[in-house]
Amino acid sequence: DAGVTQSPTHLIKTRGQQVTLRCSPKSGHDTVSWYQQALGQGPQFIFQYYEEEERQRGNFPDRFSGHQFPNYSSELNVNALLLGDSALYLCASSLEQLYYEQYFGPGTRLTVT
Amino acid sequence: GDSVTQMEGPVTLSEEAFLTINCTYTATGYPSLFWYVQYPGEGLQLLLKATKADDKGSNKGFEATYRKETTSFHLEKGSVQVSDSAVYFCALSATGNQFYFGTGTSLTVIP
Repeated sequence: DAGVTQSPTHLIKTRGQQVTLRCSPKSGHDTVSWYQQALGQGPQFIFQYYEEEERQRGNFPDRFSGHQFPNYSSELNVNALLLGDSALYLCASSLEQLYYEQYFGPGTRLTVT
Repeated sequence: GDSVTQMEGPVTLSEEAFLTINCTYTATGYPSLFWYVQYPGEGLQLLLKATKADDKGSNKGFEATYRKETTSFHLEKGSVQVSDSAVYFCALSATGNQFYFGTGTSLTVIP
């Protein structure tokens, strides 16, 4: 049973560019959450998707957007990249009725130069 | 707003020592509380949870009790092993949708 997978593993972008990160949830999971983890910090909640809709959003600007597909996989898009967007981006999946059992992927390391 | 405060690290202990990592929280309502662990090079894993006051979560020898009166959820283990070396995160969720994490506490156990 594959766990949560994320791609790519690492990414280097230039300021002002746009980036798309991808996440495949654990088999059977229907809810996907995205987090930003800066170096030495805890994960910060970006948003959560359920039934292809953004259900809740953290304190992140509109440059951060997402999508969930019918197969429950998800994308995180970041526009107009800033140096401060450099971080590890984590995807977590869960079952809607067992929200507390989040399974995290290994993350995508984004470096903005 | 909701938040979690963890004790600052890093923490270094000898094998078989007693471990306590402090965690306090601020929340409206009645959140569920969690401890996650991140081993080197791996993603976060749920270590234990407690969903209501006075509940004790436990797993792999780790324990934490949900104390509403002191708004705390301290992580303890009676005898740590080298394999427990990792970063530990305290977290809460009041809605089930949004999780708030602490800044993490790095633990190194030396033989």
